[in-house]
Amino acid sequence: GQQVMQIPQYQHVQEGEDFTTYCNSSTTLSNIQWYKQRPGGHPVFLIQLVKSGEVKKQKRLTFQFGEAKKNSSLHITATQTTDVGTYFCAGLPTSGTYKYIFGTGTRLKVLA
Amino acid sequence: DTAVSQTPKYLVTQMGNDKSIKCEQNLGHDTMYWYKQDSKKFLKIMFSYNNKELIINETVPNRFSPKSPDKAHLNLHINSLELGDSAVYFCASSQTPRSQETQYFGPGTRLLVL
Repeated sequence: GQQVMQIPQYQHVQEGEDFTTYCNSSTTLSNIQWYKQRPGGHPVFLIQLVKSGEVKKQKRLTFQFGEAKKNSSLHITATQTTDVGTYFCAGLPTSGTYKYIFGTGTRLKVLA
Repeated sequence: DTAVSQTPKYLVTQMGNDKSIKCEQNLGHDTMYWYKQDSKKFLKIMFSYNNKELIINETVPNRFSPKSPDKAHLNLHINSLELGDSAVYFCASSQTPRSQETQYFGPGTRLLVL
């Protein structure tokens, strides 16, 4: 079946270090979304990427969609303790279903 | 103002019981979803309704039955609860079921089956 894997599964960083999570789909995607879930919270939408090779920035966060539209990455520059949480990508396959497939998530812990 | 609300927030029950979780959204969205998040944080879609019509029905046990009385409400009824049903259940909504729509998640219902 269609799968979206994320690596790493866990990441511990010192505050101020950079962090990157990678998202890889087994099928081509129409678009990809990124969500953040704080500990004990619910997923909150961060951004959406639609075009092949697209790059978007939100302050210290940089999101990229691969040229083949099968992978994506989220890079955080100079992490802060407020960045703690689980980051999910969610891809919509081009196969025509309405179903977003969520990635396996990357749990980020930031040590002060 | 809560956009997507769920009740109850916590649910502890015995195996074999039947329970319901309720979800309401006040965003005026047409589409609502149920997701299950297990202990490893994997988030999997279970069902989706668009304007009270079922459009996504994943391979879940038929002990789980969603019901949408109107487009602002999507409830989840679970019969004969099993230990493996313990998880966090999230309700979500989006404007339409089409691509490029943001999903807004509720706070979650933490279900523990003993």
